[in-house]
Amino acid sequence: GAGVSQTPSNKVTEKGKYVELRCDPISGHTALYWYRQSLGQGPEFLIYFQGTGAADDSGLPNDRFFAVRPEGSVSTLKIQRTERGDSAVYLCASSLVVGGQETQYFGPGTRLLVL
Amino acid sequence: AQKVTQAQTEISVVEKEDVTLDCVYETRDTTYYLFWYKQPPSGELVFLIRRNSFDEQNEISGRYSWNFQKSTSSFNFTITASQVVDSAVYFCALSTGNTPLVFGKGTRLSVIA
Repeated sequence: GAGVSQTPSNKVTEKGKYVELRCDPISGHTALYWYRQSLGQGPEFLIYFQGTGAADDSGLPNDRFFAVRPEGSVSTLKIQRTERGDSAVYLCASSLVVGGQETQYFGPGTRLLVL
Repeated sequence: AQKVTQAQTEISVVEKEDVTLDCVYETRDTTYYLFWYKQPPSGELVFLIRRNSFDEQNEISGRYSWNFQKSTSSFNFTITASQVVDSAVYFCALSTGNTPLVFGKGTRLSVIA
């Protein structure tokens, strides 16, 4: 079946602009995660949804970052007043918990460059 | 707090050599899950394996094998007879169940023909 998809694959914007990054999870997966990966580093957690609600947003770096998942499927990560330090690859993962165990499957990421 | 350490930043081997990627983890939870992901140049993280804390059996899948040792908090990954297609960044990760993954910094493996 189809995997996790993310759009756009690349986004170039100017400092101070607003951007939206979209994640389409694997059909039927109830959990959705956003991570950010800087060059040469491992992915770092941003926010986690279980269904429509944000179960844990402790990884969001500041209030310029916000994410929604209004219907429990597609999610959008929104970044206001972008800064050059926001440049990174933004990864989305979805998962299905079976028997209390979970494996996260990742999308290809959106590469964000803030000029 | 959870932590994953991958001490090897880069490894370079000649094709057909065996190579082991090290992973050491820290957690105070008694139930946890360990993962390995592969990130090829295309950038997508590919799931390789999940291991539960209560199952210390080693696992083999083709040329890949994993050695889980709770006594040393390690979950090492060995590729036997490496191939050029194995060239990628490999990440070890930890979660405590339905929680975000905590990743190591990754090990870049280059397999030279």
